[in-house]
Amino acid sequence: DGGITQSPKYLFRKEGQNVTLSCEQNLNHDAMYWYRQDPGQGLRLIYYSQIVNDFQKGDIAEGYSVSREKKESFPLTVTSAQKNPTAFYLCATAGREADEKLFFGSGTQLSVL
Amino acid sequence: GQQVMQIPQYQHVQEGEDFTTYCNSSTTLSNIQWYKQRPGGHPVFLIQLVKSGEVKKQKRLTFQFGEAKKNSSLHITATQTTDVGTYFCAGTDGNNRLAFGKGNQVVVIP
Repeated sequence: DGGITQSPKYLFRKEGQNVTLSCEQNLNHDAMYWYRQDPGQGLRLIYYSQIVNDFQKGDIAEGYSVSREKKESFPLTVTSAQKNPTAFYLCATAGREADEKLFFGSGTQLSVL
Repeated sequence: GQQVMQIPQYQHVQEGEDFTTYCNSSTTLSNIQWYKQRPGGHPVFLIQLVKSGEVKKQKRLTFQFGEAKKNSSLHITATQTTDVGTYFCAGTDGNNRLAFGKGNQVVVIP
């Protein structure tokens, strides 16, 4: 969606390196999410944030970290502790209610060198 | 925890034919959403179903929510090449957690 910008589109990580994926939104949505997509595995929730300065772990948070200092921004850091980081990472936003539909960014493909 | 299962995982459909994809949950859902992801793209919201037994139509697409609110289906008639992609269902449980199925990848044969 035009209201969610993920960058970069492609990212390469070296062994032992931390990398940060950017997600910016201008939809004025409270909730933001990070999903990981592997072939045949669907979408798995990494972290989510329902309000500024607050975030919760999802189902596969190990090896990842996030921050939510501004409503518009929810960056995801893939740390060196994540041993299998190669995947397609999707950022999403939604209104405050839990069953609001998700709007997805165009994604970042992360690969390991 | 909540599990949402989709069957089949893959489908090859002849252009012009109909097909159905199914979504089943291990727990009762408050609602179910369907998304479509085109090859190389990102998921896009299609519809949300909330009521038991609800049926909604969008042109050639018919969505159903089961009476027990534990299953759902998407039926597409007269398949077109533009229907290619992966269809995901996502269910919200009683704890307001949204869980995605693994998706049904659809290939359309011209």
